Amino acid sequence: DTAVSQTPKYLVTQMGNDKSIKCEQNLGHDTMYWYKQDSKKFLKIMFSYNNKELIINETVPNRFSPKSPDKAHLNLHINSLELGDSAVYFCASNQGTGELFFGEGSRLTVL
Amino acid sequence: GNSVTQMEGPVTLSEEAFLTINCTYTATGYPSLFWYVQYPGEGLQLLLKATKADDKGSNKGFEATYRKETTSFHLEKGSVQVSDSAVYFCALSDRSGNTGKLIFGQGTTLQVKP
Repeated sequence: DTAVSQTPKYLVTQMGNDKSIKCEQNLGHDTMYWYKQDSKKFLKIMFSYNNKELIINETVPNRFSPKSPDKAHLNLHINSLELGDSAVYFCASNQGTGELFFGEGSRLTVL
Repeated sequence: GNSVTQMEGPVTLSEEAFLTINCTYTATGYPSLFWYVQYPGEGLQLLLKATKADDKGSNKGFEATYRKETTSFHLEKGSVQVSDSAVYFCALSDRSGNTGKLIFGQGTTLQVKP
């Protein structure tokens, strides 16, 4: 009964490919996020959706496109992958300004 | 803008040593403050939090006090164990725009040796 689940956990792909990461939360939260963690463990927010509406879009290349079909799901699609996209991507959710609940992360390696 | 600064790591301690990881913040208004822990290969988990000045958050022997006068939220534990080895993140809630997002410090790696 994982609260925030992401798939796949690991993703290895070639430069130029397109890939997606899926996220689902069963906590009933209204808000979901994508964070990127680089090789130095630094966490940076990318996007946030509140009840299917985009509310945060940090400075992220437009090759990254989030999609929220409903408030329990937030998927991340990445076009034309580059070496610098290699990172661990974390999905998270919360209600209002409360505690963030994180998924286990999706490690993307671009070769 | 709002930001969080943590002490540089890695921090290496022997078992049963005293731990302090410093965290200071810059924020407008009155954010909530958090410590998250990330064990190897896992996502982040909330360790403790404090929502207003002088609050003390505590969990699993860890403590941190929200100090508005020094804009700090230092993490402490009296006696660390090998199982505490992890990356620790200090964070604040960015209430601007009421988005609920958290701003994280750069993380501090703790390694505890037997």
